[in-house]
Amino acid sequence: NAGVTQTPKFQVLKTGQSMTLQCAQDMNHEYMSWYRQDPGMGLRLIHYSVGAGITDQGEVPNGYNVSRSTTEDFPLRLLSAAPSQTSVYFCASRPFGQAASRQPQHFGDGTRLSIL
Amino acid sequence: GESVGLHLPTLSVQEGDNSIINCAYSNSASDYFIWYKQESGKGPQFIIDIRSNMDKRQGQRVTVLLNKTVKHLSLQIAATQPGDSAVYFCAELRNTGGFKTIFGAGTRLFVKA
Repeated sequence: NAGVTQTPKFQVLKTGQSMTLQCAQDMNHEYMSWYRQDPGMGLRLIHYSVGAGITDQGEVPNGYNVSRSTTEDFPLRLLSAAPSQTSVYFCASRPFGQAASRQPQHFGDGTRLSIL
Repeated sequence: GESVGLHLPTLSVQEGDNSIINCAYSNSASDYFIWYKQESGKGPQFIIDIRSNMDKRQGQRVTVLLNKTVKHLSLQIAATQPGDSAVYFCAELRNTGGFKTIFGAGTRLFVKA
């Protein structure tokens, strides 16, 4: 199994540009999430999804959109990139449900995004 | 506010020694805790977890201890090796609609040869 795959690994954007970060998992996990990681801070939740067609906001959702049309894919869209969005972005997945939620998340290797 | 935090941002140990990484949490309703390891340029990787009905859980060279009285979590690594050098995160699962995971800022472990 490939696990969680993120593309691209690196990206440089200009302020105001838009782009989509891709995330795919092959473990049939219902729960998928996007985090950003900034120096000296823990992973902060941007958006999450508990299944196809269901998404919700996390801790820092402003400036980002998500959709979940399939179980496998959970893309993150930056609508109009700002320098404050320079960060490392991680996608993660795990099973979902009362008991299944008490399982660790599986992470991709991240997308390193710089906004100039 | 409620948070998952760490006592030390960096820890340096000699190869072969035992390492102890500490973590404090403040939400007494959390019932599941996880330790992750993150190597440079990689995503967090699961190491070990523990449920709140346990005080201790052992894995291969790693042990997690949970003290619910003082809301403290620790990760012990036995016979630390150079390959253990990484950032270690503790995380708690809060049973609040969606079972969101809250991460600490991380401790960087340096292993000296």
